[in-house]
Amino acid sequence: GAVVSQHPSRVICKSGTSVKIECRSLDFQATTMFWYRQFPKQSLMLMATSNEGSKATYEQGVEKDKFLINHASLTLSTLTVTSAHPEDSSFYICSARDDGSTVVPDTQYFGPGTRLTVL
Amino acid sequence: KQEVTQIPAALSVPEGENLVLNCSFTDSAIYNLQWFRQDPGKGLTSLLLIQSSQREQTSGRLNASLDKSSGRSTLYIAASQPGDSATYLCAVRGDRGSTLGRLYFGRGTQLTVWP
Repeated sequence: GAVVSQHPSRVICKSGTSVKIECRSLDFQATTMFWYRQFPKQSLMLMATSNEGSKATYEQGVEKDKFLINHASLTLSTLTVTSAHPEDSSFYICSARDDGSTVVPDTQYFGPGTRLTVL
Repeated sequence: KQEVTQIPAALSVPEGENLVLNCSFTDSAIYNLQWFRQDPGKGLTSLLLIQSSQREQTSGRLNASLDKSSGRSTLYIAASQPGDSATYLCAVRGDRGSTLGRLYFGRGTQLTVWP
């Protein structure tokens, strides 16, 4: 089946630093990828929709200058948390929409997530 | 705005019991509904996907039903096993306007099956 990877799986950083998270679709092309954030015992909340070759669409309340998204190719999207603070500590999950899916159109496949801890 | 609610928030049962997890959503304009499993600190594994025109889907010991008009879905787990212990998430996908393609998640039901 389709596989989405995320790197790193876990990162600990100091307050004020920037952290980049990669999301890759390994065996399919994804024009559209999604970034979610999940706090403990909470649901996944969509942060932004990443579109290859164009600007990301951010959800209300998500600061685009803080959470930079780059979708430079059909298999890679990156999320950079700039000037990270302890309140940014969370579990970040990406998903990728399979452009070529015919069984269930626009199927999304999820990555394993990245645990970010900001000290 | 679509809101997804899952009941119960947590469930602890002995091995062998049959379980029902509930999911409700406020906007019936959905494209499909999906049940996921999430293990602690891990990503999501898709279990079952029901298209809006379907009533149910089955996979092994799992059966999911959908009543779109009433905004409800249930996930039935037969003969539960300790390996079923995880958080189960329900998500609906919007089918129109600003909701098109978006997934809306519930908070999940944390299931513990003890031997």
